[in-house]
Amino acid sequence: GENVEQHPSTLSVQEGDSAVIKCTYSDSASNYFPWYKQELGKRPQLIIDIRSNVGEKKDQRIAVTLNKTAKHFSLHITETQPEDSAVYFCAAGVSGGYQKVTFGTGTKLQVIP
Amino acid sequence: DTGVSQDPRHKITKRGQNVTFRCDPISEHNRLYWYRQTLGQGPEFLTYFQNEAQLEKSRLLSDRFSAERPKGSFSTLEIQRTEQGDSAMYLCASSRETSYPETQYFGPGTRLLVL
Repeated sequence: GENVEQHPSTLSVQEGDSAVIKCTYSDSASNYFPWYKQELGKRPQLIIDIRSNVGEKKDQRIAVTLNKTAKHFSLHITETQPEDSAVYFCAAGVSGGYQKVTFGTGTKLQVIP
Repeated sequence: DTGVSQDPRHKITKRGQNVTFRCDPISEHNRLYWYRQTLGQGPEFLTYFQNEAQLEKSRLLSDRFSAERPKGSFSTLEIQRTEQGDSAMYLCASSRETSYPETQYFGPGTRLLVL
């Protein structure tokens, strides 16, 4: 099955700096890579996703890049704000028929005002 | 609130007892997923329903676990003879088959503590 590794497990940045979270996956059949944000005690919420036919996707301050050859993908948050503080999960899987994804172990991001 | 809802939000039970959780998906969503999340980990897939049919179960779902979605709307997850290792957050997510891209919307979860 799919195995997703996520680094770092914790990340502290100053407000306004950029944050980068990296993930690797093992199954070359994976074609869907979502990122979820989970605030303390709340549900995971999708913030951005990318499919294997695209190398990069951007939505305002958030961008995701995908390198299928190396089987890794990354989340980039620019101009971080205190409200970006949360746990971020990457996931990888197959979207088709139904969406079965495997999640990474999470990165706790702290943005210091 | 028209999002995914779960009930109860918290459950404390003694080892050996049975517990049942309920998930109400977004009304037009025909796909429903159950996940388990332990502290410091990402959600782990347990099972998937398309309408009322349970189409896949993870090996994590032992014989003590059973899930149903009798009318293709709400779903229940039952754990029989609970063990301390069952303590976790149980998350439900739903999505619509015909949407592109398909997005899974998560519920708030049921936090289970087995004493």
